[in-house]
Amino acid sequence: KQEVTQIPAALSVPEGENLVLNCSFTDSAIYNLQWFRQDPGKGLTSLLLIQSSQREQTSGRLNASLDKSSGRSTLYIAASQPGDSATYLCAVLVHKFYFGSGTKLNVKP
Amino acid sequence: DTAVSQTPKYLVTQMGNDKSIKCEQNLGHDTMYWYKQDSKKFLKIMFSYNNKELIINETVPNRFSPKSPDKAHLNLHINSLELGDSAVYFCASSQASGRASREQYFGPGTRLTVT
Repeated sequence: KQEVTQIPAALSVPEGENLVLNCSFTDSAIYNLQWFRQDPGKGLTSLLLIQSSQREQTSGRLNASLDKSSGRSTLYIAASQPGDSATYLCAVLVHKFYFGSGTKLNVKP
Repeated sequence: DTAVSQTPKYLVTQMGNDKSIKCEQNLGHDTMYWYKQDSKKFLKIMFSYNNKELIINETVPNRFSPKSPDKAHLNLHINSLELGDSAVYFCASSQASGRASREQYFGPGTRLTVT
């Protein structure tokens, strides 16, 4: 059974810092991996989707990498801003989507 | 333009009642999902439909019954509500299913409180 773990559970950084969020999964036979952000009381917003054949995807200040063989993905956020404060979730697709429990990020002004 | 919409946004009801949550997507996707997010923020899939056909049915009590009248709509009906059903329910959609699934798009959620 696929298990998805996100560490740390919470992270607080000063504005302007570069940071890395981690996602690990136990079964490397995934089809894709998706990163989301969730604001309090809101739904999930898709950030990046990496297909199993890809190593990374970039969108603006966000860069996501995927290492299937080691069962890891990282989300790199450059020059963090207070507006980046949210919970970040990763999900892997096997025959269905499995979600991690998220990393709650607080970027302090 | 809302891509995935759900109604209602909040639902407060008593134990034993029957309630429905509706979901609609205007993205032209062929696959829709229902997820439950518990108090610890863990998201777990409940059901998935592809072109109105049920393709994922997790171990969910049979008090929960999804219905997809067409590929743009997926409703969730819950019978005999229990306290443990209190959670946020999210609808999502994507193009294709299984290994071909593309990005998922989520609705805003329905916060269900059973008293």
